[in-house]
Amino acid sequence: GENVEQHPSTLSVQEGDSAVIKCTYSDSASNYFPWYKQELGKRPQLIIDIRSNVGEKKDQRIAVTLNKTAKHFSLHITETQPEDSAVYFCAASTDGATNKLIFGTGTLLAIQP
Amino acid sequence: KAGVTQTPRYLIKTRGQQVTLSCSPISGHRSVSWYQQTPGQGLQFLFEYFSETQRNKGNFPGRFSGRQFSNSRSEMNVSTLELGDSALYLCASSSGFNEKLFFGSGTQLSVL
Repeated sequence: GENVEQHPSTLSVQEGDSAVIKCTYSDSASNYFPWYKQELGKRPQLIIDIRSNVGEKKDQRIAVTLNKTAKHFSLHITETQPEDSAVYFCAASTDGATNKLIFGTGTLLAIQP
Repeated sequence: KAGVTQTPRYLIKTRGQQVTLSCSPISGHRSVSWYQQTPGQGLQFLFEYFSETQRNKGNFPGRFSGRQFSNSRSEMNVSTLELGDSALYLCASSSGFNEKLFFGSGTQLSVL
């Protein structure tokens, strides 16, 4: 069935270092891959997304890469800052006719000062 | 533009009761989706509505239902509440299909 695996479940990095979170999806028909950041007690916020016709997308310190063949996509955060501490979720669409997303289980990112 | 608004923010109910949650999407958005978030299961899709029609439904029992009104506002209802229904219920709106999803702050439901 539809599934998105996300690793690692927790990640601790020193301030200023880079963080990488990886996801694998199962449905080869998936063509939209958003990433959400959720701070404690707050709503999930879309931070970046990528479509299957693009291999990489960057927005300031955040980038996402997609390997359709391997069904992998990754989030890269460079020059991490304390405010990057949060839970990050990857997701994959299931079909183009709805907005149903399958979410990964989340990565708790902790930035150490 | 105002964001997605969900009411109420918190709810406490007892087993067997029913509950109705409300969601107002971003102005102009016609798609509203509902997700359940729990520490154990993460974010799980409940259903999606577009122009008052249910477009998709997740793997939840029939006790979970929803509807959408002509102004795109949506409600979800859970009947015969069980302890396991305790969760954060998130609503998200979008301007179309396969487009960016914007979430509300959620309704935290506790079933005692």
